[in-house]
Amino acid sequence: DTAVSQTPKYLVTQMGNDKSIKCEQNLGHDTMYWYKQDSKKFLKIMFSYNNKELIINETVPNRFSPKSPDKAHLNLHINSLELGDSAVYFCASSLRGQQETQYFGPGTRLLVL
Amino acid sequence: AQTVTQSQPEMSVQEAETVTLSCTYDTSENNYYLFWYKQPPSRQMILVIRQEAYKQQNATENRFSVNFQKAAKSFSLKISDSQLGDTAMYFCAFMKQGAQKLVFGQGTRLTINP
Repeated sequence: DTAVSQTPKYLVTQMGNDKSIKCEQNLGHDTMYWYKQDSKKFLKIMFSYNNKELIINETVPNRFSPKSPDKAHLNLHINSLELGDSAVYFCASSLRGQQETQYFGPGTRLLVL
Repeated sequence: AQTVTQSQPEMSVQEAETVTLSCTYDTSENNYYLFWYKQPPSRQMILVIRQEAYKQQNATENRFSVNFQKAAKSFSLKISDSQLGDTAMYFCAFMKQGAQKLVFGQGTRLTINP
């Protein structure tokens, strides 16, 4: 009964490839987020979606494209991967109107070689 | 823009001791939330405690308590009777009321020694 799940947990790939990370929540939330944690452990928001609508896009390169097929899913597709994309990517979710209570997924560690 | 600063990159204490982690933030907002998140080696982000800025009373969750000084823009976390399982990275975070994004500090790596 995982609340926020991400697949895969680990992803190792070559520079220039395209990859996707999937996120699903079973909490009935309608807002979902992607955060990036870099090699120095610094966490920063990338995107947020309310009910499949993009709300926040924090100056992320357009190689990153989030896609929300429904309220329970928010996937992250990354084109033309670069070395600097290596990081841990966290998905999170919350209820609209209770954004201050965000539930995080376990993270996906991406390593670009 | 809001910023969150954790001035202690690493801390280490003996089991059962009390430890305080520091956090300061910068904002012109009056209504906001402050958080402490724990990230153990498993990488999972776990909410430890939360404080609403309009509340004067400091939040407490079992062995975890905060010292919220709104005027000084300070939000420290006190862990009492520390346990080995408290070993983790601790992140202070800020959210403006009505916003959706958490703004995190740089983190403090806390080690509890047996």
